[in-house]
Amino acid sequence: DVKVTQSSRYLVKRTGEKVFLECVQDMDHENMFWYRQDPGLGLRLIYFSYDVKMKEKGDIPEGYSVSREKKERFSLILESASTNQTSMYLCASSAQGLDYGYTFGSGTRLTVV
Amino acid sequence: QKEVEQDPGPLSVPEGAIVSLNCTYSNSAFQYFMWYRQYSRKGPELLMYTYSSGNKEDGRFTAQVDKSSKYISLFIRDSQPSDSATYLCAMKGSFGSQGNLIFGKGTKLSVKP
Repeated sequence: DVKVTQSSRYLVKRTGEKVFLECVQDMDHENMFWYRQDPGLGLRLIYFSYDVKMKEKGDIPEGYSVSREKKERFSLILESASTNQTSMYLCASSAQGLDYGYTFGSGTRLTVV
Repeated sequence: QKEVEQDPGPLSVPEGAIVSLNCTYSNSAFQYFMWYRQYSRKGPELLMYTYSSGNKEDGRFTAQVDKSSKYISLFIRDSQPSDSATYLCAMKGSFGSQGNLIFGKGTKLSVKP
């Protein structure tokens, strides 16, 4: 069964901490995405990557960075966590050249206190 | 005008009812249309995928696309309590990696036994 695995389901961090959210996919997909999902705001794209070592800003990149050193792994980094980054974070992947949509991970519920 | 509009609900129906979920969009270049289902505290999963206009049926689910009206629908027949979830529409305009999915904000559906 193909999978996108997010390293943590629930995470509690303190304001100012550097936070790493990890995402691994086993489908050999080229494209990977990070979203945050908040009530009333829907899914908002933070960063995406079409290839290893490649990254592009999405709609709300401020306060975040990403790393893609290997094809299967896409990491989201909160440089200095703030309470307004409390959210559900979803990673997704898709194949290049095929339009079968995205496969999402189960999400990481991050609370910044 | 937002690219994709979706009524957030919530929508509550009795078991066995026919459910109609809808999205409108403004970008006439969209050609690929998808519906995702998201259970509480889980990531979205692809439910239906349609290219261009027309209908697609899969069991109790029917997806309809009317490109002339820029309107897509998802119908659920004989709705079950297990259908209770948030349903997100998504669409994109270009084939391959260019052109990310644009999501609606989701409609929360509750099917009462």
